[in-house]
Amino acid sequence: EAGVAQSPRYKIIEKRQSVAFWCNPISGHATLYWYQQILGQGPKLLIQFQNNGVVDDSQLPKDRFSAERLKGVDSTLKIQPAKLEDSAVYLCASSLDPSGGIDEQFFGPGTRLTVL
Amino acid sequence: RKEVEQDPGPFNVPEGATVAFNCTYSNSASQSFFWYRQDCRKEPKLLMSVYSSGNEDGRFTAQLNRASQYISLLIRDSKLSDSATYLCVVNRRTGGYNKLIFGAGTRLAVHP
Repeated sequence: EAGVAQSPRYKIIEKRQSVAFWCNPISGHATLYWYQQILGQGPKLLIQFQNNGVVDDSQLPKDRFSAERLKGVDSTLKIQPAKLEDSAVYLCASSLDPSGGIDEQFFGPGTRLTVL
Repeated sequence: RKEVEQDPGPFNVPEGATVAFNCTYSNSASQSFFWYRQDCRKEPKLLMSVYSSGNEDGRFTAQLNRASQYISLLIRDSKLSDSATYLCVVNRRTGGYNKLIFGAGTRLAVHP
């Protein structure tokens, strides 16, 4: 079974530039998550989609971050404009349960963003 | 105070040692608990769920104390391949949906 795919794997940009990350979850997984993991910290949830609807974006800095999940499958996360403190690994995860229950989350390899 | 707190380590132990990690959580309404493992520069992967009665998976034993809001992970007979960061994870239910809250992780280094 194919895992969660993410691209690009690495990205280096200058502050105030824009960047976009892409995620393709495991086939059939209803729930998709974007996490930000800063070095030395645990993953922090940015946004959670149930199919193509947002169920939690309380920690998404909406002045600069946006995300969408069209057709309830692939998702993109965008940062515009980037700040130095956005340097982190952006992890996408998916889980099967469509009812919002507790289910194992499967993570992609992440995108390592460096903002100079 | 962080919602999930862990000792960051690192724990440096020889092969064959027994090592225990502790975790505390602040939300008494949390109902589900997990340990995830994260290798260096890799993604987190589920190691095991933690049940009230305690559970064991080979060399790994997880315990939960709801009264003290405390979770533990015990690794017996440590292997070199156990070297990783162990993330304590609890759920928070908000608006009918579950959200996982990750601790910062405890780093384990097993040496020959």
